[in-house]
Amino acid sequence: DGGITQSPKYLFRKEGQNVTLSCEQNLNHDAMYWYRQDPGQGLRLIYYSQIVNDFQKGDIAEGYSVSREKKESFPLTVTSAQKNPTAFYLCASSTLTVSYEQYFGPGTRLTVT
Amino acid sequence: QKEVEQNSGPLSVPEGAIASLNCTYSDRGSQSFFWYRQYSGKSPELIMSIYSNGDKEDGRFTAQLNKASQYVSLLIRDSQPSDSATYLCAVNRGSNYQLIWGAGTKLIIKP
Repeated sequence: DGGITQSPKYLFRKEGQNVTLSCEQNLNHDAMYWYRQDPGQGLRLIYYSQIVNDFQKGDIAEGYSVSREKKESFPLTVTSAQKNPTAFYLCASSTLTVSYEQYFGPGTRLTVT
Repeated sequence: QKEVEQNSGPLSVPEGAIASLNCTYSDRGSQSFFWYRQYSGKSPELIMSIYSNGDKEDGRFTAQLNKASQYVSLLIRDSQPSDSATYLCAVNRGSNYQLIWGAGTKLIIKP
């Protein structure tokens, strides 16, 4: 089955620790995205990538880093510089055709205490 | 002005009635418009996409687009309790493939 996987589903970390969230897709999509969702709010774009070894900052990139070494994988690192890291993190992918439909993984809920 | 605006709700609709969800956007260059459904604690799921003015129907769902008024809506006919969710409107940013997201409308279908 084609789809997007994210792991882990729940993640707990102490303040000051870096943490890496995994995202893998087998849809053969060129573009991949990371979003953050806070309670009662819409999605905010952290980083996106349309090709291997290239990525761009979204609206709230500070305190986050990404890599795109393979087409299928787009891991997100939440660094200790991120002031409010507790949130629901969503990974998505899409083709780069005019349709721009994005498909989401199940998400990772990160709690930092 | 927000780039994509939705009424946060909650919008309460009796079972079997038509639910009408609305979204306005600010970028006149936008070409692609989407409705996603998000159940509590889950990720968004694409339910409708629309690219040209007019109506697009898929089962109980109808998306309506009016580019002149910068308005897109979603109608859900014969609403079911399982339709209770938050509905997110997303619009592409000009000619770019990035999407801009509304904050969502919470829909409650009352049995």
